[in-house]
Amino acid sequence: KQEVTQIPAALSVPEGENLVLNCSFTDSAIYNLQWFRQDPGKGLTSLLLIQSSQREQTSGRLNASLDKSSGRSTLYIAASQPGDSATYLCALPPDSGGYQKVTFGTGTKLQVIP
Amino acid sequence: NAGVMQNPRHLVRRRGQEARLRCSPMKGHSHVYWYRQLPEEGLKFMVYLQKENIIDESGMPKERFSAEFPKEGPSILRIQQVVRGDSAAYFCASSPPDRTGELFFGEGSRLTVL
Repeated sequence: KQEVTQIPAALSVPEGENLVLNCSFTDSAIYNLQWFRQDPGKGLTSLLLIQSSQREQTSGRLNASLDKSSGRSTLYIAASQPGDSATYLCALPPDSGGYQKVTFGTGTKLQVIP
Repeated sequence: NAGVMQNPRHLVRRRGQEARLRCSPMKGHSHVYWYRQLPEEGLKFMVYLQKENIIDESGMPKERFSAEFPKEGPSILRIQQVVRGDSAAYFCASSPPDRTGELFFGEGSRLTVL
């Protein structure tokens, strides 16, 4: 059974700092890995999708890496801004596909202080 | 291209009443997933549907809960005889028929049972 851990559970940083969020998983037989952000009272917004054959993806100030062999993914946020404050989730469906079996991490709650 | 649309955004019901939550997937998406998020907890899979078919309902309680995705119209999650423990955010997600497996979420429907 896939287990997904996100560390830290909460993070508070001053504006402008670069930061790294971690996602660890126990079963490397994944189809892809998707990073989301969730704002309070809102749905999940997709940030980056990494296919299992890829090692990283970049979008603006965000960079996500994937190391299947070690069961880790990191989300790097450069030059953090107060608008980045949200909960960040990673999600992993199995390599058989199908989001009915996806496992979500419990998230990292990020606060960027102006 | 509108995103995943859910309504109502907020729903208040008294114990014993019925709740109906609706979800229209993104245009061109034929896969719909329902998840539940309890306060301060992660997302839990409930049911996976394609048009006119329930593919996997293993995460949905066997009593009082049902889901459908008719040929025409939105997907509906129905909760009969609601209890206080049903109070949660219910999220719908859709994915395209290609093999990228990327998930797109709606804003959620927040059910409060008095």
